[in-house]
Amino acid sequence: QQQVKQSPQSLIVQKGGISIINCAYENTAFDYFPWYQQFPGKGPALLIAIRPDVSEKKEGRFTISFNKSAKQFSLHIMDSQPGDSATYFCAAGGGGGFKTIFGAGTRLFVKA
Amino acid sequence: NAGVTQTPKFQVLKTGQSMTLQCAQDMNHEYMSWYRQDPGMGLRLIHYSVGAGITDQGEVPNGYNVSRSTTEDFPLRLLSAAPSQTSVYFCASSPRTVNPYEQYFGPGTRLTVT
Repeated sequence: QQQVKQSPQSLIVQKGGISIINCAYENTAFDYFPWYQQFPGKGPALLIAIRPDVSEKKEGRFTISFNKSAKQFSLHIMDSQPGDSATYFCAAGGGGGFKTIFGAGTRLFVKA
Repeated sequence: NAGVTQTPKFQVLKTGQSMTLQCAQDMNHEYMSWYRQDPGMGLRLIHYSVGAGITDQGEVPNGYNVSRSTTEDFPLRLLSAAPSQTSVYFCASSPRTVNPYEQYFGPGTRLTVT
């Protein structure tokens, strides 16, 4: 079964707070785990990605934490800003196949 | 570079009509894909191509056709539109040699079937 389960569906965070979005996958053959950010009326754009040989990757205010044994990974947005308000998708791909499987998405709203 | 372009941006069809959604990229990417986005369901893969002349089915291929005669273009054809095909459609491309999973998305086509 090639599913990626994402939670929560929606999230409201105060400006300056930490936003946390979680994902779980089933196929242990996956070896690439990206996060995409999508603003209304636009296509998704790659935000940050991780491979399973590391447990954490940080780029600016965005951090991916990866737990291979639990088959879970999460996105942390530190010092959340109103400009971060968007829909975030986790995804999983690789393992010899081309297909990328996306989570259902999380709508983040950061209150000023 | 224009990146990935899609036309049209919006389209309304009647049930049973056919149409082609256009997608083009100018990054010389080998891989191209079509996704549909529905509320609460994320992005679901319809069809994909790993190079000119090569296409394969994704998760939800029924009712759609694709072909890839050039590296740049990857049109999606709706054979006989149904209300269940009301959705936002995204085309994406990625480079085979650098990272085939780092996808670049177009701006989308919002399709309504009445």
